[in-house]
Amino acid sequence: DQQVKQNSPSLSVQEGRISILNCDYTNSMFDYFLWYKKYPAEGPTFLISISSIKDKNEDGRFTVFLNKSAKHLSLHIVPSQPGDSAVYFCAATRIQGAQKLVFGQGTRLTINP
Amino acid sequence: DVKVTQSSRYLVKRTGEKVFLECVQDMDHENMFWYRQDPGLGLRLIYFSYDVKMKEKGDIPEGYSVSREKKERFSLILESASTNQTSMYLCASVTPAPNTEAFFGQGTRLTVV
Repeated sequence: DQQVKQNSPSLSVQEGRISILNCDYTNSMFDYFLWYKKYPAEGPTFLISISSIKDKNEDGRFTVFLNKSAKHLSLHIVPSQPGDSAVYFCAATRIQGAQKLVFGQGTRLTINP
Repeated sequence: DVKVTQSSRYLVKRTGEKVFLECVQDMDHENMFWYRQDPGLGLRLIYFSYDVKMKEKGDIPEGYSVSREKKERFSLILESASTNQTSMYLCASVTPAPNTEAFFGQGTRLTVV
């Protein structure tokens, strides 16, 4: 049972344009969401997070949007840069308890010059 | 600077061998996790620990065990390595709520032949 889903395995975007990565979840108990970026042969690095009490969080070129009623979140990167080419994972957790992070399958983002 | 260190970047082991993957964090976190990453499957939780000597099974614990004798160290053990355990293994140390964030090690690419 995949509780967090990223339905697009890959995405290709022109440099300078907006990249939009999507993520859906099924467990309504999740109340905290995170995005990670991963380069080959490295561990994931944290990008941005959002609590369920908000619907938007912004950090520089990265913005995460949360739609609780649709159980959907998205990561917007604008403008996209070549160094953004990586695999992006969304993750969900509950603030209370063991804070297990449940990850999606990942989306490979390629930024074309 | 936050640091999670995994003992090996690359490992090649034979089928049937007992394999130890070590992870050390320097942030005094209580919660530590072991994930494996496989193409198309994202990061899947093997085991986690929320305190010294405390452990819980994740989603795919079969064939694995863990040890947490000291707060900073969390070890993953493959009791008898099999080829289907060839994977990228990622250790994470997690900050306490409410600003949950997982810090990952660089990963261990394990090949079982």
